[in-house]
Amino acid sequence: SQQGEEDPQALSIQEGENATMNCSYKTSINNLQWYRQNSGRGLVHLILIRSNEREKHSGRLRVTLDTSKKSSSLLITASRAADTASYFCATDEDTDKLIFGTGTRLQVFP
Amino acid sequence: NAGVMQNPRHLVRRRGQEARLRCSPMKGHSHVYWYRQLPEEGLKFMVYLQKENIIDESGMPKERFSAEFPKEGPSILRIQQVVRGDSAAYFCASSLDSNSYEQYFGPGTRLTVT
Repeated sequence: SQQGEEDPQALSIQEGENATMNCSYKTSINNLQWYRQNSGRGLVHLILIRSNEREKHSGRLRVTLDTSKKSSSLLITASRAADTASYFCATDEDTDKLIFGTGTRLQVFP
Repeated sequence: NAGVMQNPRHLVRRRGQEARLRCSPMKGHSHVYWYRQLPEEGLKFMVYLQKENIIDESGMPKERFSAEFPKEGPSILRIQQVVRGDSAAYFCASSLDSNSYEQYFGPGTRLTVT
């Protein structure tokens, strides 16, 4: 089943601008994770936020979680061309597996 | 500490042949997960294994697909009698234990069925 839905599907910005991606999910979760995937490559784990947390920071990344709205956002500040990638949210349906969203394709122009 | 290893990185098979995809988890990780990614889509869960046990195979097609994680050696995802629709990227992930939610992904195997 498709749990997360990212919005927007695609985003193009200039270097230095901020990029915000949103993720909505359907069922209750223990945690939500964000991953990055460069074209044709594997996934890189960015950040995990637990259901009892509302906000988390890691470098230029800021993740928020609103369990009442079943949504999360990923903010990348001061974007760089190297941030160009697809970004996926993933939730745990139980301890066994991750359910991935459809992804947001981010293009950062120099 | 080496990450999750997958081989081959690219695999081309003709229709009807068998495909074997290998995954070596991170050192110390005993939980392995397989996911499939079709072009322009997110990853879809296939199977979750621990050493010598299949824990959850709810995402595996009922026919032609099988997975194992033996006591020694890598985890194997096996696709028999491949069809064009099997063409996809197959990713393996590993985690430290069932309570460790962070899954670390390998680089993937890109299977092309001609």
